[in-house]
Amino acid sequence: EDQVTQSPEALRLQEGESSSLNCSYTVSGLRGLFWYRQDPGKGPEFLFTLYSAGEEKEKERLKATLTKKESFLHITAPKPEDSATYLCAVQAGNTGKLIFGQGTTLQVKP
Amino acid sequence: DAGVTQSPTHLIKTRGQHVTLRCSPISGHKSVSWYQQVLGQGPQFIFQYYEKEERGRGNFPDRFSARQFPNYSSELNVNALLLGDSALYLCASSANTGTANYGYTFGSGTRLTVV
Repeated sequence: EDQVTQSPEALRLQEGESSSLNCSYTVSGLRGLFWYRQDPGKGPEFLFTLYSAGEEKEKERLKATLTKKESFLHITAPKPEDSATYLCAVQAGNTGKLIFGQGTTLQVKP
Repeated sequence: DAGVTQSPTHLIKTRGQHVTLRCSPISGHKSVSWYQQVLGQGPQFIFQYYEKEERGRGNFPDRFSARQFPNYSSELNVNALLLGDSALYLCASSANTGTANYGYTFGSGTRLTVV
């Protein structure tokens, strides 16, 4: 069964304290792994798509990496405005179905 | 250019009632997907439509149905509402059914509360 697990469920950081979020996945025929950011009461906002092991993508203070079993979202020197829930999702097979993890809620304190 | 628009933004319904949620995709996008997000969890896939045809269905009861119109907008219908249907309903659009290089773009959702 295709499955996505994110850890930790919640993470509290001080401003400037770098850390990583983990996304472990089990899927047949990975077509893409997605990272989204979601603010309370809003829809998910697209961050990255990764397609194959070894791929890396960066955007401002965020860097996403992918292996055959997991993905990491590295946050360098976070700011309070980075506080949000970060969602990981995988797409498998030939459908457009995304399978999401439960998310990691990040709080960055000034 | 307008993003994915969903209406209404909030809705309160009574158990047993019926509800219709609406979604307009990004201009040029032909695929619309619906997700249910219960508080504290990740979104769960309900349906995908492409070119007015159903291309995927998640593990939801037959009380949930959807359709896509010629202009690619979509409706999600839920009959015989239960308290457990209370959630944020998200619509996502993409240009096609395959892997989207720029991700699937989500709307802000409809918050449904069943009392």
